[in-house]
Amino acid sequence: RKEVEQDPGPFNVPEGATVAFNCTYSNSASQSFFWYRQDCRKEPKLLMSVYSSGNEDGRFTAQLNRASQYISLLIRDSKLSDSATYLCVVSSNTGKLIFGQGTTLQVKP
Amino acid sequence: DTGVSQNPRHKITKRGQNVTFRCDPISEHNRLYWYRQTLGQGPEFLTYFQNEAQLEKSRLLSDRFSAERPKGSFSTLEIQRTEQGDSAMYLCASGTGSDTQYFGPGTRLTVL
Repeated sequence: RKEVEQDPGPFNVPEGATVAFNCTYSNSASQSFFWYRQDCRKEPKLLMSVYSSGNEDGRFTAQLNRASQYISLLIRDSKLSDSATYLCVVSSNTGKLIFGQGTTLQVKP
Repeated sequence: DTGVSQNPRHKITKRGQNVTFRCDPISEHNRLYWYRQTLGQGPEFLTYFQNEAQLEKSRLLSDRFSAERPKGSFSTLEIQRTEQGDSAMYLCASGTGSDTQYFGPGTRLTVL
């Protein structure tokens, strides 16, 4: 079983749609939680950190449920430029990042 | 550009050859990480340094792989006797221990 599990998709949605991604993690000792975005053949870039209280950055909302070991990302009003792979990431107490497989989003006009 | 840089960006080699990759982190970052990413998968942790000390190595890092960070600045990752299964994107990231890591553009290795 992978330490971080995500549905690989692809998710194909029209512009303006709301889309939600989920992931689960297996190590209850995980320290920090993130969503990274990766465009085709590029490096991952931090999208946002994820906190138990939930946090929002514009059209993006992330949520962490430590009891269920579950992380979510909600994208509202999808744009064509949101098309990418979204990586769910947890970090250990040593700081190393453990990535999920990634979920591919394709936003269509 | 003050981000993380990696060289070369692409490397094509024949099976059995040795290759070396370089990573230059953001200058004030004391932590440096190496990851490997194959097609359709997320990056997988290989090893990390705090300053010049290599503090953790993944079981993925066989004895054909070695990494150094001699002066606590740039790092090199060497793969000896490359195999076709080593073909991947090798990513370097740096950080300060506050969890946020910044990735370089990666070195794409193809072993023929």
